[in-house]
Amino acid sequence: KQEVTQIPAALSVPEGENLVLNCSFTDSAIYNLQWFRQDPGKGLTSLLLIQSSQREQTSGRLNASLDKSSGRSTLYIAASQPGDSATYLCAGASNTGNQFYFGTGTSLTVIP
Amino acid sequence: EAQVTQNPRYLITVTGKKLTVTCSQNMNHEYMSWYRQDPGLGLRQIYYSMNVEVTDKGDVPEGYKVSRKEKRNFPLILESPSPNQTSLYFCASARWADSYNEQFFGPGTRLTVL
Repeated sequence: KQEVTQIPAALSVPEGENLVLNCSFTDSAIYNLQWFRQDPGKGLTSLLLIQSSQREQTSGRLNASLDKSSGRSTLYIAASQPGDSATYLCAGASNTGNQFYFGTGTSLTVIP
Repeated sequence: EAQVTQNPRYLITVTGKKLTVTCSQNMNHEYMSWYRQDPGLGLRQIYYSMNVEVTDKGDVPEGYKVSRKEKRNFPLILESPSPNQTSLYFCASARWADSYNEQFFGPGTRLTVL
């Protein structure tokens, strides 16, 4: 069974700073890894999906990487803005791709 | 608009009273799944379905049932709810082509069992 960990649980940064969120997983036979954003009281919004054959994906100010050998994924946010404040979740898919395991998230606060 | 919808959004019920939470998607996705989210535990998968009439257990299936009679719908059934099923529930769907199974989530259903 895949175990997914996100550290730190909370992070506070000043506006404009570049930052990295971390996600660790135990099974290198991961099918893919997906990053989500969750605003308080809301559902999950998909940010980036990295397939097992890929090393990274980019969307706007976001860049996610995947290193299966070390069991790590990172989400890089460039030039952070107050609107980026939310909880960021990563989810690793099992080797068959049909079961998903979530980390408990990193709560990000960007201070104006 | 492509979306996953859930109903109801909020529900307060009593122990033992059967309930159903509906989930529907309009993206013609093969894969659908239910999760519960609890503080400190994150999201945990309850059941998933790879296609019509194909369902399987996730990590925490006890006390839940599902069915997939139509591609667009995947209801979650609690036959005899108990207080430990008080949680925030999410439905998700994904297409199943190659290895590209990006999940899209519904808005959530907050369930309280008294």
